Amino acid sequence: QKEVEQDPGPLSVPEGAIVSLNCTYSNSAFQYFMWYRQYSRKGPELLMYTYSSGNKEDGRFTAQVDKSSKYISLFIRDSQPSDSATYLCAMSAGEGGSEKLVFGKGTKLTVNP
Amino acid sequence: GAVVSQHPSWVICKSGTSVKIECRSLDFQATTMFWYRQFPKQSLMLMATSNEGSKATYEQGVEKDKFLINHASLTLSTLTVTSAHPEDSSFYICSARDSTQGAGNTIYFGEGSWLTVV
Repeated sequence: QKEVEQDPGPLSVPEGAIVSLNCTYSNSAFQYFMWYRQYSRKGPELLMYTYSSGNKEDGRFTAQVDKSSKYISLFIRDSQPSDSATYLCAMSAGEGGSEKLVFGKGTKLTVNP
Repeated sequence: GAVVSQHPSWVICKSGTSVKIECRSLDFQATTMFWYRQFPKQSLMLMATSNEGSKATYEQGVEKDKFLINHASLTLSTLTVTSAHPEDSSFYICSARDSTQGAGNTIYFGEGSWLTVV
């Protein structure tokens, strides 16, 4: 079993839809959870950063972490064509030193106008 | 937000030559930087962890003599692909951990560097 599982999609939705992106993981030591957005041929851009379980909201984006289920989600409200990108979940067991980020494979999202 | 600059953004080189890619944290100090490569439609693959002032830690299967990493200052890490071959052609991305107090050790990525070896 891979440490982080993410459905690669592709996911195609109409403009204005609510998008739900998810990752599951197997390592219970993970405490720091991130979502990155990557446009084609560009480096990943940090969207959301959460610690432990709970919800975090930033504009149209909401990140949820359920450590008991080892499951994290990113919700995008009122999706826009500019949201079309690959979304990568990432997680780490620690925040300091040389703690590595473990990535999901990414989900490709297309928002159609 | 914090910015990580990567240079060059793309490079084409001949087989057998060496190529250096720079990764700079522009407005924060980064004691730890990470180097990844990404093949088309694949996720990021961690190559090595670079710590300022010490040797890099390489992931299993990554040749340290081929991918030379230097982290000489708190804002600069370099990756040198030595004796490059066509199979080294890939998208190389660095990230830097913001170790500034209060920054939560957030990791920011560079824009990536496209390497094509012909």
